[in-house]
Amino acid sequence: DTGVSQDPRHKITKRGQNVTFRCDPISEHNRLYWYRQTLGQGPEFLTYFQNEAQLEKSRLLSDRFSAERPKGSFSTLEIQRTEQGDSAMYLCASSIQGGHGELFFGEGSRLTVL
Amino acid sequence: AQSVTQLGSHVSVSEGALVLLRCNYSSSVPPYLFWYVQYPNQGLQLLLKYTTGATLVKGINGFEAEFKKSETSFHLTKPSAHMSDAAEYFCAVSEYRGSSNTGKLIFGQGTTLQVKP
Repeated sequence: DTGVSQDPRHKITKRGQNVTFRCDPISEHNRLYWYRQTLGQGPEFLTYFQNEAQLEKSRLLSDRFSAERPKGSFSTLEIQRTEQGDSAMYLCASSIQGGHGELFFGEGSRLTVL
Repeated sequence: AQSVTQLGSHVSVSEGALVLLRCNYSSSVPPYLFWYVQYPNQGLQLLLKYTTGATLVKGINGFEAEFKKSETSFHLTKPSAHMSDAAEYFCAVSEYRGSSNTGKLIFGQGTTLQVKP
């Protein structure tokens, strides 16, 4: 049983650069979520997919952020023109629609914007 | 809208002492409630969950939590703390819109548990 995997685990970039994170969910899970977590805070919802459809985007997700799940399997989260305020842990989770609501999280991708 | 409040951002206990981490929720419908643990630079791992049925829920690593509807609480306890329990703990509630579960979780701010030798 392979869990949720995220890549890269750590990314250091300069302000203004673009970054992309990848998430591979548990294979039979049709729902995929992206959360952001800053130091000392709980995870904040960004967006989620059911299969390939993006069902909701948080107001936290500015127009510099875009997420895709083209074939209903893996997902990418891209941040364009990064800002120092984007520094955070980006967490991916997956679940089965109609389950009891628990999300299975990956190890996270930590972004540091210099 | 659902929300979660974790009372106390830091809790410190001695090894072998009782652990009590507090969580209060707000929900207009019967909630699904969760506790997750996060070790440094890692993702979140599910400790336990309450959906329906028995209000005392047992989880991994000796943790348990009791759903108290009258107090809108879901406090996490462990009889005897171990050094390896030092981590950050998050309480979460499932989001509902009307009577439909959206599948999203709403998290509290977290409580850092320190275990002293």
